[in-house]
Amino acid sequence: GENVEQHPSTLSVQEGDSAVIKCTYSDSASNYFPWYKQELGKRPQLIIDIRSNVGEKKDQRIAVTLNKTAKHFSLHITETQPEDSAVYFCASTGYSSASKIIFGSGTRLSIRP
Amino acid sequence: ETGVTQTPRHLVMGMTNKKSLKCEQHLGHNAMYWYKQSAKKPLELMFVYNFKEQTENNSVPSRFSPECPNSSHLFLHLHTLQPEDSALYLCASSQELAGVSSRADTQYFGPGTRLTVL
Repeated sequence: GENVEQHPSTLSVQEGDSAVIKCTYSDSASNYFPWYKQELGKRPQLIIDIRSNVGEKKDQRIAVTLNKTAKHFSLHITETQPEDSAVYFCASTGYSSASKIIFGSGTRLSIRP
Repeated sequence: ETGVTQTPRHLVMGMTNKKSLKCEQHLGHNAMYWYKQSAKKPLELMFVYNFKEQTENNSVPSRFSPECPNSSHLFLHLHTLQPEDSALYLCASSQELAGVSSRADTQYFGPGTRLTVL
């Protein structure tokens, strides 16, 4: 069946450095790729998303890139800050299974002061 | 945040108990979702409802029974659960099904119900 692989499972970066999280999907019909941030004890919240007709999207320090040919997409966080520490989930869904959203296994990001 | 609420926030039950989880959204959304979040499988989609109709059952055991009486309310009825069912159960809603509309598919999550099965 369809799946989404996410790497790495844990990531530790120095404050101020960049962090990159990568996801690979299997369903070639997928057309929507959201990223969620979940802080400890809190609910997941959407931080950025990208659709299949776009290759890159930026929102301040956060950017997402999509390579449809290779079926992978990545989250980039620049100038990391302590409040960026959280678990990040990627997900994919598409017209072939609009209601079937598949999440990656999550990346625990820690920012070292 | 009060857009999506869930009750109870914590629940401890025995394997022979029957309990229900409730989710309510005040956002006027048409789609609602149940997720299970555990250490082994971080975010696992269980059920999807769109305009009160179930559109997805992700091979969930029958001891979990969803109910969606209207677009604002979603229930998860629990019966004869197993200890491995202990997890955080998250509800979410979106204006439209994810991936269908270009602007209305952002999912908003509730705070979750922390379920412990003894």
